Amino acid sequence: DQQVKQNSPSLSVQEGRISILNCDYTNSMFDYFLWYKKYPAEGPTFLISISSIKDKNEDGRFTVFLNKSAKHLSLHIVPSQPGDSAVYFCAAIGSGNTGKLIFGQGTTLQVKP
Amino acid sequence: DADVTQTPRNRITKTGKRIMLECSQTKGHDRMYWYRQDPGLGLRLIYYSFDVKDINKGEISDGYSVSRQAQAKFSLSLESAIPNQTALYFCATSDPTGFTDTQYFGPGTRLTVL
Repeated sequence: DQQVKQNSPSLSVQEGRISILNCDYTNSMFDYFLWYKKYPAEGPTFLISISSIKDKNEDGRFTVFLNKSAKHLSLHIVPSQPGDSAVYFCAAIGSGNTGKLIFGQGTTLQVKP
Repeated sequence: DADVTQTPRNRITKTGKRIMLECSQTKGHDRMYWYRQDPGLGLRLIYYSFDVKDINKGEISDGYSVSRQAQAKFSLSLESAIPNQTALYFCATSDPTGFTDTQYFGPGTRLTVL
């Protein structure tokens, strides 16, 4: 039972354009959502997060949007750069700060020069 | 130097062998985690520890055991390895501040069980 789903295994965009990565979840009790980025041969690194009481969080070129009624969040990267090419994981954390992250399957982003 | 290190980085072993993966951290965090990554499944939590005396099973603990030797060290053992334990294994640490409990991952151990 996949509580966090990333239905697009891969995405390819042109440098300078917007990249939109999507994530759906089923558990309405999640308190926080996070995005991690992973390069080959490295561990995932934290990118950006959003509280369930917010609908948008922005950090430089990265913006995460949360639609609680649709149980959907998205990560926007604009403008996209070749160095953004990586696997992006959406993750959720339940109430009570249990530390237990639940990850989606990941989406591989390729930004073409 | 990396804050979270894992040894070995790559390991090939045979079915039935016992194997230990080690994780060390210099971040001073109390919380440590072991995940495995499989293609198409993302990362799944195997075990986690909130301090030296606290060990908890995660989503997929069967076939695995852990030891928290010190605040800085958290080891994952496969008592009798089987081929479907072939995966990429990650250790992570966190120090919850606020509410996000951001986790910091090691570089991973690629394990192949023949």
